[in-house]
Amino acid sequence: DGGITQSPKYLFRKEGQNVTLSCEQNLNHDAMYWYRQDPGQGLRLIYYSQIVNDFQKGDIAEGYSVSREKKESFPLTVTSAQKNPTAFYLCASSTTRGSPLHFGNGTRLTVT
Amino acid sequence: ELKVEQNPLFLSMQEGKNYTIYCNYSTTSDRLYWYRQDPGKSLESLFVLLSNGAVKQEGRLMASLDTKARLSTLHITAAVHDLSATYFCAVDGTQGGSEKLVFGKGTKLTVNP
Repeated sequence: DGGITQSPKYLFRKEGQNVTLSCEQNLNHDAMYWYRQDPGQGLRLIYYSQIVNDFQKGDIAEGYSVSREKKESFPLTVTSAQKNPTAFYLCASSTTRGSPLHFGNGTRLTVT
Repeated sequence: ELKVEQNPLFLSMQEGKNYTIYCNYSTTSDRLYWYRQDPGKSLESLFVLLSNGAVKQEGRLMASLDTKARLSTLHITAAVHDLSATYFCAVDGTQGGSEKLVFGKGTKLTVNP
């Protein structure tokens, strides 16, 4: 079955460490997105990519970095510069404009 | 900057009742999406509304879009417990040709027996 796989489901890190969240899709979608969700909040866009080797900052890109070396993969690195990294991170993909986003199951990151 | 506001943010209703969730947005857009999220889970697409006057229905849920009023509604008819979830609207705040969705804060719906 086609879909988006995020791993791991839960991730614990110490403050000051960088951590990379994995996102892989086999839907053959061109566009991929990373969102952050905090309790009681909507989703906020971190980064998005329309094609391989190209990506754009979203609304809250500071403290995060991404790469898009392959169409199916869009990993997100949460750096030590991110002041409040504890959150639920969702990866999504889409085909054409006007098509809904397909979401992965998310990674819950806890930094202490 | 596009802003998306949903109300109410919390909604507790009895089974069998009707209610409407509202989604207002601040700048022109002709693409609006509704998603459902169960606790601890990911988001599931419910409706895609792509033009003024668009209306979509699935079971007890009906969504509509008025682009002139910058308003979308999600109407719940004869609610059942299985509809308990958080509902998000998202609006296309496209910049430079790349689709960029801005989400509302969500409406947490609880349907009580």
